Amino acid sequence: ETGVTQTPRHLVMGMTNKKSLKCEQHLGHNAMYWYKQSAKKPLELMFVYNFKEQTENNSVPSRFSPECPNSSHLFLHLHTLQPEDSALYLCASSQDLEGRIYGYTFGSGTRLTVV
Amino acid sequence: GDSVTQMEGPVTLSEEAFLTINCTYTATGYPSLFWYVQYPGEGLQLLLKATKADDKGSNKGFEATYRKETTSFHLEKGSVQVSDSAVYFCALRSPGNQFYFGTGTSLTVIP
Repeated sequence: ETGVTQTPRHLVMGMTNKKSLKCEQHLGHNAMYWYKQSAKKPLELMFVYNFKEQTENNSVPSRFSPECPNSSHLFLHLHTLQPEDSALYLCASSQDLEGRIYGYTFGSGTRLTVV
Repeated sequence: GDSVTQMEGPVTLSEEAFLTINCTYTATGYPSLFWYVQYPGEGLQLLLKATKADDKGSNKGFEATYRKETTSFHLEKGSVQVSDSAVYFCALRSPGNQFYFGTGTSLTVIP
């Protein structure tokens, strides 16, 4: 257990479904992130939240919609996804945006398959 | 822009063999450098880091030295174990606080 918990661990959804990924941390961190991990590609930063405010959106399609109700929880709402969106979605947190001392703490990820 | 390039895998070694995974970077200014490890079915875990030139990060028998002259941060271990089988990611945090990850190198250690 790394301190960052992601649920569900696995998700299979159809292209017309709506689902949500959940991330929770009780490390007292103030910054939270969504990353997409695809095979043989660098991790892609999707969204950054700092003190519940979105500070970065890396040109992510609108079918991905993040929500950060408080500094401990982060959601990724999914709708009308495409098969190429199948990947491992990783949540991470850090003490602050700089992650200066410890870098990031990652969750175990949600393995998403779009059929 | 800033980026990280690491050797492609997969890498397969016998137990107790010497490991090197190459990582080079491109950055403006003075970045911090990291190695993360991802065990099967898990997220990434920080393995070691170095924040300035000539620093050596070390953890669990792994080492990496921040070489500014060659813009490298190669990961090494003198004697790998089966339990070291994982995917290893080199990462850079730029002075602008952006993180950049490499593509990952898969390591399999066989008994």
